[in-house]
Amino acid sequence: NAGVTQTPKFQVLKTGQSMTLQCAQDMNHNSMYWYRQDPGMGLRLIYYSASEGTTDKGEVPNGYNVSRLNKREFSLRLESAAPSQTSVYFCASIDRGRVPSGYTFGSGTRLTVV
Amino acid sequence: DAKTTQPTSMDCAEGRAANLPCNHSTISGNEYVYWYRQIHSQGPQYIIHGLKNNETNEMASLIITEDRKSSTLILPHATLRDTAVYYCIVRVQTGANNLFFGTGTRLTVIP
Repeated sequence: NAGVTQTPKFQVLKTGQSMTLQCAQDMNHNSMYWYRQDPGMGLRLIYYSASEGTTDKGEVPNGYNVSRLNKREFSLRLESAAPSQTSVYFCASIDRGRVPSGYTFGSGTRLTVV
Repeated sequence: DAKTTQPTSMDCAEGRAANLPCNHSTISGNEYVYWYRQIHSQGPQYIIHGLKNNETNEMASLIITEDRKSSTLILPHATLRDTAVYYCIVRVQTGANNLFFGTGTRLTVIP
């Protein structure tokens, strides 16, 4: 099925550990996004990539890095995890070359940092 | 992007129409109105969007007032599976800017 795939679905890290969250889309979209959602709150943008080869900071980029590996894949890396990064992470994509359309979101990665 | 105001929560009887309001009084002429929903911590799901005309698709209808300062999302026959948080977002289509989700309206469909 076409869409946005995120891995892993669940992860528990110890403080100070590092990990990479993977995101891939098979819709040939040019823009991709990483959001985090804390309990009872809306989504906040961490980083985005308007097109292959470009990345930009969003609202809450501190403690994260991203890589737009190719048009399909956009990864999010936590270099030294902190308990404040416990959250649900969503990846999204959109094709900006077409008529206005909606974003497609992945099912999320639930990360707990202890 | 313009900010939006939505009620925190609403209830709707199963089978009845659910009408979810959204105020966006500072909307600009080139900003679209988008609706998304999020069911039980799943990824947000795109529902519908519009610029100034009313829109309808297989999921819902979007009614935008003539002055574009408010809109209403209509789920014509709400089911229990429509229980979710609904987000109204206004933004320009061009550029790589993001979606500002806010806290949305929690719709509960009651049997």
